[in-house]
Formats: sequence, structure tokens, C-alpha cells
Amino acid sequence: AQSVTQLDSQVPVFEEAPVELRCNYSSSVSVYLFWYVQYPNQGLQLLLKYLSGSTLVKGINGFEAEFNKSQTSFHLRKPSVHISDTAEYFCAVRTPGYSSASKIIFGSGTRLSIRP
Amino acid sequence: GAGVSQSPSNKVTEKGKDVELRCDPISGHTALYWYRQSLGQGLEFLIYFQGNSAPDKSGLPSDRFSAERTGGSVSTLTIQRTQQEDSAVYLCASSFDSGQGNNEQFFGPGTRLTVL
Repeated sequence: AQSVTQLDSQVPVFEEAPVELRCNYSSSVSVYLFWYVQYPNQGLQLLLKYLSGSTLVKGINGFEAEFNKSQTSFHLRKPSVHISDTAEYFCAVRTPGYSSASKIIFGSGTRLSIRP
Repeated sequence: GAGVSQSPSNKVTEKGKDVELRCDPISGHTALYWYRQSLGQGLEFLIYFQGNSAPDKSGLPSDRFSAERTGGSVSTLTIQRTQQEDSAVYLCASSFDSGQGNNEQFFGPGTRLTVL
């Protein structure tokens, strides 16, 4: 079975500072990895995903994430945050292929708050 | 519509009453998911529909919860004899599932359920 751990429940950052949101996963097989963002009072929106190939994945709004297989991590980064990045961020994992076991598993989320 | 829609957006009910939550997925999407998001928690998987296959109900927390998907499109999540711990935001997502598990899930805005 797969699992996802987001160690930081809250991350406060000053505007224009860099940020890293940590995500570690556990799986005995290869996985697909996702980051979703949830703005206040909205549903989730896909930021980026890693399927295969280059381990550095670029997403929307200037975010990027790096897949590290040896450390089983998929940390999300942005070099300079903006007030509008205030949201909750969810890391997720899914095994390739279609089966009843191939549902996406979400982490508990990290609330990013940007201070002016 | 362009996205996943859910209704109602808010539902307040009394303990012991039954509630029905509706999800309209994106047209053509074969997969539909229900999640529960409790305050301060991540997303809890409830149920997954894929085409005409039997749904994966492994996430339903009790037999008071049930869901159906009619005609491969609209889905209804029913909670019978609601309890206060059922209070949460219920999110629906849909995707075009190619069988590879790499497709983005598109989320609706959610239904906020409050059980008094």
C-alpha cells in the first residue's frame, strides 16, 4: 500500500521569499506523484505531476517539484512567493494502471501563509 | 458546464436526518471520485466509480454511507441517519481515466455539510 507524508502542517513565509513544502511517500512499486492546491473556499486544482522522465517538474504559477527516488521525496518549491499563493497544498501518490487499488492517496496538506 | 459541479454548496441538517449530495462530472469523464475533507484534515477517499465496473467502496466509513452513479454520469452520495462527526466538506472529482492512472482529477467546489 502507498502512503504520503507531509511533515509540515503549516508554513509561514514572507512575501518574495523562497519556499519548500515537503512531501515523502512510501510505496513498494513505482508511482505517479502529484501536487494539488486548494485556494480558500475552492476545490483542488492540479499544480504539477511527475509521471516519468525528467525528475524536475515545472507546474503552474511558478512552482516546481523534484522527484528523488532514493529519498522517496517530491518536495514542492517556489523561488519567490506572492500573497496570492496563500492556500493549502496537497501532495498525492498513485500507482500506474487501472485497478481498484489504483486510487490516488492524498497527504494531510500543508497550509502556506504568506506574510507581507 | 466547463467543470465539475456539486450541489448544494452548503447543507445544514439535524442529527438523524438523511442527506443527499449531488455531483455532476465533466462530460466524457469515465472516472468519478468522492472524498471527505474534515476540518484540519487531508482528503479522505470515500468511493471511486470507473465506467461500468463495480465501484471501489473501500473508503466508505460506515454502512450509513452509500453512493450511486446513474448512466455513467451524475453521482449521488447519500448519508443516512447523519451524525455530528459527518460534518465536513464533501468533494467530488472526475477524470478521463485511460487506465494508466496518470490523468488529472478535476475537483468540484465541494458541499459543506453541517450536522447540528
